[in-house]
Amino acid sequence: SYVLTQPPSVSVAPGKTATLTCGGNKIGTKSVHWHQQKPGQAPVLVVYDDRYRPSGIPERFSGSNSGNTATLSISRVEAGDEADYYCQVWDTTSDRRWVFGGGTKLTVL
Amino acid sequence: EAQLLESGGGLVQPGGSLRLSCVASGFTFSNFEMNWVRQAPGKGLEWVSYINSRGDTIFYADSVRGRFTVSRDNAKNSLYLQMNSLRAEDTAIYYCAGPSGLGYWGQGTLVTVSS
Repeated sequence: SYVLTQPPSVSVAPGKTATLTCGGNKIGTKSVHWHQQKPGQAPVLVVYDDRYRPSGIPERFSGSNSGNTATLSISRVEAGDEADYYCQVWDTTSDRRWVFGGGTKLTVL
Repeated sequence: EAQLLESGGGLVQPGGSLRLSCVASGFTFSNFEMNWVRQAPGKGLEWVSYINSRGDTIFYADSVRGRFTVSRDNAKNSLYLQMNSLRAEDTAIYYCAGPSGLGYWGQGTLVTVSS
């Protein structure tokens, strides 16, 4: 089955850019979605189809995807961005399962 | 605005059963495939099940296949998850979620399997 690999944690100072990665075999050929989850809350989609932002998501959130790595970038990081971030693809090779990365805890220093 | 509202969670003994429900509003439920996703305490997100818009194509994670059954009633804008033979490792918040990439998430319902 398809596997997505995320670093467990990333730390960044306020105002700087956070770069979160998601590795997978030929992930550049898949559509990657990123979900933000704050403690005690349901996930929120922040980037879909590699690079698009849902309505209401700040422009500070951007995504890219190529080769074996997808990336979520958060510019001008704020304290309120501290959360767990999960990358996700829709694996249709054998069924219709969602595959999640293990998640990255973003800490704002 | 799309909304999903789960219910039916609770405390159940190992080997017991629960039925989760999810009521959708704000979008044409009958047009969309749906999913169940769960999150064990302190753990990441785990996909559980998929059902297409008509309810005739269904998939399950290996961890629940044979014990869980997903279904839907498009006339009631509702999605269901029948969970049988529950185990301690099924303890989690269960989320109802819309199609991949649309960002439709419910608020979740907690299932605790414990004696």
